[in-house]
Amino acid sequence: LAKTTQPISMDSYEGQEVNITCSHNNIATNDYITWYQQFPSQGPRFIIQGYKTKVTNEVASLFIPADRKSSTLSLPRVSLSDTAVYYCLVVGTGGYNKLIFGAGTRLAVHP
Amino acid sequence: DVKVTQSSRYLVKRTGEKVFLECVQDMDHENMFWYRQDPGLGLRLIYFSYDVKMKEKGDIPEGYSVSREKKERFSLILESASTNQTSMYLCASNSGGTGNQPQHFGDGTRLSIL
Repeated sequence: LAKTTQPISMDSYEGQEVNITCSHNNIATNDYITWYQQFPSQGPRFIIQGYKTKVTNEVASLFIPADRKSSTLSLPRVSLSDTAVYYCLVVGTGGYNKLIFGAGTRLAVHP
Repeated sequence: DVKVTQSSRYLVKRTGEKVFLECVQDMDHENMFWYRQDPGLGLRLIYFSYDVKMKEKGDIPEGYSVSREKKERFSLILESASTNQTSMYLCASNSGGTGNQPQHFGDGTRLSIL
């Protein structure tokens, strides 16, 4: 299963765009890249998922280069409520028994 | 919206006790999961189930067992609780088929073993 590497923490200010990059050098052909968000005392919440190029929804964008060895979660114009831990996850079409979230990126948004 | 409900938000038990953590989902999902979350370690998969009465071990199954007698309910059992099982426990579910279906999580049970 592809291991992911992402920064431990990031700081930003309200209104800025935040980009969190995740490295997954050993991603397999059938793997998808999935991002979750977690607030304190809550379970993780699905944000976005992609296979290649760019995916956008009402919350975020996900950029995936052609080699798929990395991906970037982009949060436009963050607010204080975006302060959370963000997890990058590489998920295949099988193999649940080795699903690993990793430590995530702790994003702090300041006024 | 999918709702995954964990029976307790906080639980305090003693070493050696048998502990049951319950999870119920309301979306008829085939797959259900139990994770534990510890500071600096992210989420680690304990067990998952892809159908009633079916289960598979995750990364850290030692000291745990699970039960899935009905599709909507997945129980995590600590046969003889130990202090190193103090942790946040998270239940999740998703629909079957390909493995990339997003998982829906409950809000967790913070378990303390004294």
